[in-house]
Amino acid sequence: DTGVSQDPRHKITKRGQNVTFRCDPISEHNRLYWYRQTLGQGPEFLTYFQNEAQLEKSRLLSDRFSAERPKGSFSTLEIQRTEQGDSAMYLCASSSTILTSGVGADTQYFGPGTRLTVL
Amino acid sequence: LAKTTQPISMDSYEGQEVNITCSHNNIATNDYITWYQQFPSQGPRFIIQGYKTKVTNEVASLFIPADRKSSTLSLPRVSLSDTAVYYCLVGGDPQTGANNLFFGTGTRLTVIP
Repeated sequence: DTGVSQDPRHKITKRGQNVTFRCDPISEHNRLYWYRQTLGQGPEFLTYFQNEAQLEKSRLLSDRFSAERPKGSFSTLEIQRTEQGDSAMYLCASSSTILTSGVGADTQYFGPGTRLTVL
Repeated sequence: LAKTTQPISMDSYEGQEVNITCSHNNIATNDYITWYQQFPSQGPRFIIQGYKTKVTNEVASLFIPADRKSSTLSLPRVSLSDTAVYYCLVGGDPQTGANNLFFGTGTRLTVIP
């Protein structure tokens, strides 16, 4: 399978614990996005990388959230001191500025998501 | 911020054409319009993207009027497997501002046998 993969698919944790999620993008894609999605809502942008550089973060993103993409391939999203309000689906998407026309918006390919439940 | 507005839900019978409209009154010059489909417990799946006029691919058509303040996704002859949530995303190249990527609440389409 050459699509975007995410691990784990489900995570249950207690409030106050730290959690880390992993995303493996499509191999030739240089852009990677993280989103959060709660029930009944559309995905909410969190942050994005171009290669290894984190170019933008949501203005609403708490400092408990951090993301890395050390070698420009896979990425990790860490949430420190989790709160019940962090319970959501965390989605990763990747895109390419090379394989598309390079004009306009990215065509993002999403992974299956990691569902986080904070007790 | 190019926020979007879509109907919350729509029902359609199998075999009918379905049109879902998205309003984006504050769309910027560099913004494109992209539609995604999402099934429960899965990530969104790209359907179609356009900038103006009409775009067609093997699964859908996208109509964008000249003022670009709205767009309509057209699904021909829907089947039960098209039951999903459809999102309209307005935004341009993320280097001009990824914080402008706004999915909205989507339209829940239910296809009835």
